Amino acid sequence: AQKVTQAQTEISVVEKEDVTLDCVYETRDTTYYLFWYKQPPSGELVFLIRRNSFDEQNEISGRYSWNFQKSTSSFNFTITASQVVDSAVYFCALSEADTNAGKSTFGDGTTLTVKP
Amino acid sequence: DTGVSQDPRHKITKRGQNVTFRCDPISEHNRLYWYRQTLGQGPEFLTYFQNEAQLEKSRLLSDRFSAERPKGSFSTLEIQRTEQGDSAMYLCASSSPTSGRLPSVYNEQFFGPGTRLTVL
Repeated sequence: AQKVTQAQTEISVVEKEDVTLDCVYETRDTTYYLFWYKQPPSGELVFLIRRNSFDEQNEISGRYSWNFQKSTSSFNFTITASQVVDSAVYFCALSEADTNAGKSTFGDGTTLTVKP
Repeated sequence: DTGVSQDPRHKITKRGQNVTFRCDPISEHNRLYWYRQTLGQGPEFLTYFQNEAQLEKSRLLSDRFSAERPKGSFSTLEIQRTEQGDSAMYLCASSSPTSGRLPSVYNEQFFGPGTRLTVL
């Protein structure tokens, strides 16, 4: 069975601080995809990034960066120079290839509050 | 706007009543998913369609729940004899078919705004 754990329930930072959101996953599959989604106060989940199990190269997109480490089953997300608009709930999700469904298992989310 | 839409956005009902929610996916997406999200938790998978075929249902989906996607476009989720435990946000998502050499199982899902159900 697949499982995603986001141990940090809530994080509060002051604007311009860097913040890292942790994600640890469990799966028996060798082929899978990991995702990060953002859920702002408006409620709609927004896709941020997808990473497959064969690509451990870190990725940077503007102020966002992702660190995928298969050895520790982690897929952490860092926001550099945080802004108030980054305040949201962030979800990590896992999709296993063997299910052939694409349905995702989500963690319980980390609520990030960025204070001005 | 060509995103995923859901209707209604909010629904308040009394215990025992039936409710129906609608989801309109992005037009070219052949996969449609229903999730349920309660406060403080991530979305939980309920069911999914590929075109008009319902291919998987979660054990969370009791016999009171039924979903359809009759023409492979919009989908409805009906809850019969609602219970207070059904109160949650019901999310719909869609994903695109195979793009290049990547099978669609790997494609990200685009979510709608959700329908918030309150059962009194």
